[in-house]
Amino acid sequence: NAGVTQTPKFRILKIGQSMTLQCTQDMNHNYMYWYRQDPGMGLKLIYYSVGAGITDKGEVPNGYNVSRSTTEDFPLRLELAAPSQTSVYFCATDRGTDTQYFGPGTRLTVL
Amino acid sequence: KQEVTQIPAALSVPEGENLVLNCSFTDSAIYNLQWFRQDPGKGLTSLLLIQSSQREQTSGRLNASLDKSSGRSTLYIAASQPGDSATYLCAHNNAGNMLTFGGGTRLMVKP
Repeated sequence: NAGVTQTPKFRILKIGQSMTLQCTQDMNHNYMYWYRQDPGMGLKLIYYSVGAGITDKGEVPNGYNVSRSTTEDFPLRLELAAPSQTSVYFCATDRGTDTQYFGPGTRLTVL
Repeated sequence: KQEVTQIPAALSVPEGENLVLNCSFTDSAIYNLQWFRQDPGKGLTSLLLIQSSQREQTSGRLNASLDKSSGRSTLYIAASQPGDSATYLCAHNNAGNMLTFGGGTRLMVKP
């Protein structure tokens, strides 16, 4: 039972490049979330999903897109990377009423 | 807009000391308050969750309290140990399960 897994662990992008951050959970939770954490700061919600086929914007959605075709997977897409997107990205999941379980994070640098 | 503030931002104490971490929030419409631990370069681990109907929760040497009327939560750590060194984050849940995080308190417990 791996919980929440994220790939890659680290990535360096050039300005204007695109990439997809992968998140997979084996906890059979309906709710999934993407957060970003800037240095020395708390986490901010980018997008979330309450089930397959349903996604919605969080606090800081600009520059990102998501999809949720299965219960297990919730990828986050960056289309035109900008230096402001340099951050650590965390995926999380829960049952909708209790604590959230987090993945180990993806550290992204945009140069 | 909901704001969550954690004071102090950093704290250094000698081993064995009892300590209190503070979390304040502006939105009194709270579903639950969650405390997390984050080790350097790692994801978040849930410590305690206090439902809005509860006043406190305990787990081992940790005790978290919630005062909705004043918009405050505290995390009490008894008999601190070097292994408690980490960043502690509180998060406000407004019933949509969209967490708003504080900036965290970075704790160092010296042997």
